Amino acid sequence: GDSVTQTEGLVTLTKGLPVMLNCTYQTTYSPFLFWYVQHLNEAPKLLLKSSTDNKRTEHQGFYATLHKSSSSFHLQKSSVQLSDSALYFCALSDTSGGNYKPTFGKGTSLVVHP
Amino acid sequence: EAGVTQSPRYAVLQEGQAVSFWCDPISGHDTLYWYQQPRDQGPQLLVYFRDEAVIDNSQLPSDRFSAVRPKGTNSTLKIQSAKQGDTATYLCASSFDNANTEVFFGKGTRLTVV
Repeated sequence: GDSVTQTEGLVTLTKGLPVMLNCTYQTTYSPFLFWYVQHLNEAPKLLLKSSTDNKRTEHQGFYATLHKSSSSFHLQKSSVQLSDSALYFCALSDTSGGNYKPTFGKGTSLVVHP
Repeated sequence: EAGVTQSPRYAVLQEGQAVSFWCDPISGHDTLYWYQQPRDQGPQLLVYFRDEAVIDNSQLPSDRFSAVRPKGTNSTLKIQSAKQGDTATYLCASSFDNANTEVFFGKGTRLTVV
């Protein structure tokens, strides 16, 4: 079945530094990859998504490129802000059997300090 | 447009008690998901519906958990006899039936079993 592996646990950074949160996946079907962000006491919401190989997708200063050759979809930002402190999830969906349920990674907690 | 609505927002139970969670998805979304999210972890699928039909409930502890979506709109998730290990946030989400579409989450019900 499908699986998603993320940088697990806590990532702590100082404001203004770059960040990369790792995401790799396994599927035997054509993949659709998503990053969701969940701020404290809020619902998870979509940050960005992609299904196109080797094309960078960007939103709110975050960016990611789907690399099918390495089954990766790492999330990056060149300069983190205090407001980026949140829980980040990578998710995978695919076209297997017409059932499109997304599979989520275990999440990475990002804490940005002043 | 209204988002996914869940109630209650919080619940505190003693072991052995029963509880029901209610979800109103986004109008027009045919797919509805229930996820269990342990603290600081990613959502783990319990069950999902397409319209009123259960598509996948393989991760639902069937001896104590049940879920219904009788008219293909609202849904209820019930825990018959709660255990301390059920302590988590229960997220409802909805989407269109498409691999490339985002999933919209409610704010969840935070359950504590003491």
